[in-house]
Amino acid sequence: ETGVTQTPRHLVMGMTNKKSLKCEQHLGHNAMYWYKQSAKKPLELMFVYNFKEQTENNSVPSRFSPECPNSSHLFLHLHTLQPEDSALYLCASSQDLAGGPHNEQFFGPGTRLTVL
Amino acid sequence: EDQVTQSPEALRLQEGESSSLNCSYTVSGLRGLFWYRQDPGKGPEFLFTLYSAGEEKEKERLKATLTKKESFLHITAPKPEDSATYLCAVQPPAYKYIFGTGTRLKVLA
Repeated sequence: ETGVTQTPRHLVMGMTNKKSLKCEQHLGHNAMYWYKQSAKKPLELMFVYNFKEQTENNSVPSRFSPECPNSSHLFLHLHTLQPEDSALYLCASSQDLAGGPHNEQFFGPGTRLTVL
Repeated sequence: EDQVTQSPEALRLQEGESSSLNCSYTVSGLRGLFWYRQDPGKGPEFLFTLYSAGEEKEKERLKATLTKKESFLHITAPKPEDSATYLCAVQPPAYKYIFGTGTRLKVLA
């Protein structure tokens, strides 16, 4: 595997279900991100982890719970979601949070989530 | 407030018809401006980073330029496989990216 991978690619869940999204990066990066992408809206940053430590929670409802066990893996645990949470959830990684040359964010293919 | 506006929202071109996409931004201090390509149902694919006004970068039929207020993505003699949504993002003096809503490009054969 290369780059950033995400599983599952598609997920349909009911409002009472509990599910998890998984992201793995094979780039040796130290920072990982969760984004939400809804139709005709800009990508919304949800969570940021740097060296396994959460550095950002962008006012995300508690029904979304991130977990970062190591610098290569990131999870998003979902429970009691609402239909308006249906979206494409993207994971990204970068070398770290410093920005600058060769520190761009690279994205995974996303998980298309539908909440019934 | 940091903000990114992309125009047009959608663009249809004939194969070989060159054009430009615009990304206007307001940011307290620009650490970098990024262009991504996104195909339907996929994640954004990194294209370019620009750091300072006057900088230009090229890749195949694409050329990105940067001024103090905007960036252009010029597409020369596009092909149908260039059809995608093109996203622009800026990085203020922090690690967050501020994304625009994108330009949906359709190139007709």
